[in-house]
Amino acid sequence: DIVMTQSPDSLAVSLGERATINCKSSQSLFYSSKNKNYLAWYQQKPGQPPKLLIYWASTRESGVPDRFSGSGSGTDFTLTISSLQAEDVAVYYCQHYYSTPHTFGQGTKLEI
Amino acid sequence: DVQLVESGGGLVKPGGSLRLSCAASGITFSNAWMSWVRQAPGKGLEWVGRIKDKTEGETRDYAAPVKGRFTISRDDSKNTLYLQMSSLKTEDTAVYYCTTAHYGYFDHWGQGTLVTVSS
Repeated sequence: DIVMTQSPDSLAVSLGERATINCKSSQSLFYSSKNKNYLAWYQQKPGQPPKLLIYWASTRESGVPDRFSGSGSGTDFTLTISSLQAEDVAVYYCQHYYSTPHTFGQGTKLEI
Repeated sequence: DVQLVESGGGLVKPGGSLRLSCAASGITFSNAWMSWVRQAPGKGLEWVGRIKDKTEGETRDYAAPVKGRFTISRDDSKNTLYLQMSSLKTEDTAVYYCTTAHYGYFDHWGQGTLVTVSS
């Protein structure tokens, strides 16, 4: 099974500042025949289901603000929030879908 | 708008069984690959399993902790996904979410239903 490891476990960032969350997979998530990285990012606020932010490592889901961006390839990925807003306080998860089981990272709690 | 509405959660004793349902609307359900994801209280997300559509033979995949105990099925005539859970353990206590998962990422989620396994 592919293991997903996020860092840090928690992060405090000031309003308007940049937040960076890292995700490392135990195997490459790049599928060469498709030229895609099989990685997604989610945001979960308290009491709510997770919300898809990014898929294919860098494609923003419709309606997601452009301050959210995803980057990386192979085994190392990053979620960046360019200018933190109060409503971005949440737990963020990465998830691979390269093969089953589709495992998640342990989550990163983002606070102000 | 896509809506996924889970039901069937509740309190069950260890060793017991429970069936969850997920009613889908706003999507062509018969073409959708669907997954269940769970979240234990205060913990992270855990993929439970997936069912593909009929053209892919309704192939099912399961996470190791539930394989042989849980069964995912679908009724395309009712736009409904099911999770039959048996031989339940205390560690199965979680909110269970139904999701769409056609490419493997989870683009639509239900609100979840809580399953509590306790004596």
